[in-house]
Amino acid sequence: DAMVIQNPRYQVTQFGKPVTLSCSQTLNHNVMYWYQQKSSQAPKLLFHYYDKDFNNEADTPDNFQSRRPNTSFCFLDIRSPGLGDAAMYLCATSRGRTSGYTFGSGTRLTVV
Amino acid sequence: AQKVTQAQTEISVVEKEDVTLDCVYETRDTTYYLFWYKQPPSGELVFLIRRNSFDEQNEISGRYSWNFQKSTSSFNFTITASQVVDSAVYFCALMTPGANSKLTFGKGITLSVRP
Repeated sequence: DAMVIQNPRYQVTQFGKPVTLSCSQTLNHNVMYWYQQKSSQAPKLLFHYYDKDFNNEADTPDNFQSRRPNTSFCFLDIRSPGLGDAAMYLCATSRGRTSGYTFGSGTRLTVV
Repeated sequence: AQKVTQAQTEISVVEKEDVTLDCVYETRDTTYYLFWYKQPPSGELVFLIRRNSFDEQNEISGRYSWNFQKSTSSFNFTITASQVVDSAVYFCALMTPGANSKLTFGKGITLSVRP
């Protein structure tokens, strides 16, 4: 089945140690998004790629970076995770900017 | 600026009851899209419906129905004869087209359906 896959499902990292979360899609969608969702809050957009064009949200901390080496894969890099970065990270894709999004199952990040 | 308000935070009902989840949105754009997503305990956001601003026709899909009223900027979601499996967090979201198009979510409503 075509889908959005996020690995790992759960990630534990040490305070200040770089961590990378991955997302892959078999839908061949043009747009890929990374959302951060803290406990009991709405998902918050960090950035997105339209094809190779990177679009960063104005309030996304510099600590968060992203890479999209090809259509299928997108990575979220957190350079120096802090305790406040513990959250669920959701990857999503869409065919176009106004199409419905397909979300992955998310990666729950714990910072110790 | 765009905004989505889900005033209800938690709703608890007994199985087979009908329940309506409210959503009010704000936007200055005349073209926009409204969405509802379901987030079960597993965490994945499941797409339920997408509605564009030019289509005010209400929609029914099985036990789910949506009422879109531009006059009150509302896009309410009703579950008829609720079931335990409907227990989840439900998000209403708004999107406007353009280069900076993105999905803006409300804070979500936690629905608990008790047997």
